[in-house]
Amino acid sequence: SAVISQKPSRDICQRGTSLTIQCQVDSQVTMMFWYRQQPGQSLTLIATANQGSEATYESGFVIDKFPISRPNLTFSTLTVSNMSPEDSSIYLCSVGGAGNTIYFGEGSWLTVV
Amino acid sequence: GENVEQHPSTLSVQEGDSAVIKCTYSDSASNYFPWYKQELGKRPQLIIDIRSNVGEKKDQRIAVTLNKTAKHFSLHITETQPEDSAVYFCAPHTGGGNKLTFGTGTQLKVEL
Repeated sequence: SAVISQKPSRDICQRGTSLTIQCQVDSQVTMMFWYRQQPGQSLTLIATANQGSEATYESGFVIDKFPISRPNLTFSTLTVSNMSPEDSSIYLCSVGGAGNTIYFGEGSWLTVV
Repeated sequence: GENVEQHPSTLSVQEGDSAVIKCTYSDSASNYFPWYKQELGKRPQLIIDIRSNVGEKKDQRIAVTLNKTAKHFSLHITETQPEDSAVYFCAPHTGGGNKLTFGTGTQLKVEL
């Protein structure tokens, strides 16, 4: 199994500012995924973070708003830029393990005021 | 892309009763079918999964059944307990790249 550390776990941010979320995995993985979960909603994939290349974004998500870094095989960051109250969500990173098993970080609970 | 629907969206049962949640998907290439449980304020946790070459899998009080022809799979919880109260998500996927498409979620409430 993979152990994923995410930080910050929780933050309150001013609108118009940016926040970077970090995700650290205890083993090397090819792909890392970033999900958003808005209040009372399901999880939606933002992008896939690939080491050595640009992230692949899902429809409705753009690099300018959610820039992603993937400097090595155990680490990734997601930045939420120019935040508005609509960005208040849980942000989760995940990785794939053996046999298609997916592991999630603890999540970052962001509130934008 | 994968279209995933989950029913019901909310479910209330009495403690000790059974609960069934159904997930319908569109991508016939899907070959892995997990269910996640998300308690309030926590991350989703995998509770049971099934692969396309198996029709049913059971783990104590929970089971998953798969109908690949009809493209749906269901979560069954027997002898429900208050700690089963949570939101449950299905997330079928094709396996390649481990990218998940989550269902809309089912809020299960087990009442005493």
